Amino acid sequence: NAGVTQTPKFQVLKTGQSMTLQCAQDMNHNSMYWYRQDPGMGLRLIYYSASEGTTDKGEVPNGYNVSRLNKREFSLRLESAAPSQTSVYFCASSSTGTGFHYEQFFGPGTRLTVL
Amino acid sequence: QKEVEQNSGPLSVPEGAIASLNCTYSDRVSQSFFWYRQYSGKSPELIMSIYSNGDKEDGRFTAQLNKASQYVSLLIRDSQPSDSATYLCAVTLNRDDKIIFGKGTRLHILP
Repeated sequence: NAGVTQTPKFQVLKTGQSMTLQCAQDMNHNSMYWYRQDPGMGLRLIYYSASEGTTDKGEVPNGYNVSRLNKREFSLRLESAAPSQTSVYFCASSSTGTGFHYEQFFGPGTRLTVL
Repeated sequence: QKEVEQNSGPLSVPEGAIASLNCTYSDRVSQSFFWYRQYSGKSPELIMSIYSNGDKEDGRFTAQLNKASQYVSLLIRDSQPSDSATYLCAVTLNRDDKIIFGKGTRLHILP
């Protein structure tokens, strides 16, 4: 099992450009998450999806959109990138619901720089 | 605002000693508690989960939970240089499928 995979690993954008970060998991998890991690700020939740077809805003959703394409895939889109979106982005997944404890497993991350 | 608080460190511990990492949380109804290890430039890795009061041991790691005091800790026995990393405490929100992370404690094991 590959676990949680993310593409690309690195990306440099110019201000105003758009891009989509891809995430996939093969653990049959129903919940998926997008975080950003900045020095001194810790992990902050951008969006999450509790199940296929549903998405909800997290702590810092402005400037981002998401799509839960199917149970395996959850993408994050930056429509018009800004320097403030320079960060490391992590995707995570977990099993949730009765009988589960919500442990989250992380992908390797995407390091994004917006110039 | 639900919060998870950790001392940012760095916490310096001699090799072979016990490293003690602490975390407090604000949500009284939190049910599940996690410790993640994150090496520089890498993603967080789950190393311990604990759900009930008391101690849980896994190899050199022991997680301790005290719900009355809203306190969770991680002990690392026989610390090794490879334990040098940032340790993130994470706590579930009220019957929600989200967890909230502390900002992490940097641990440095001195050879």
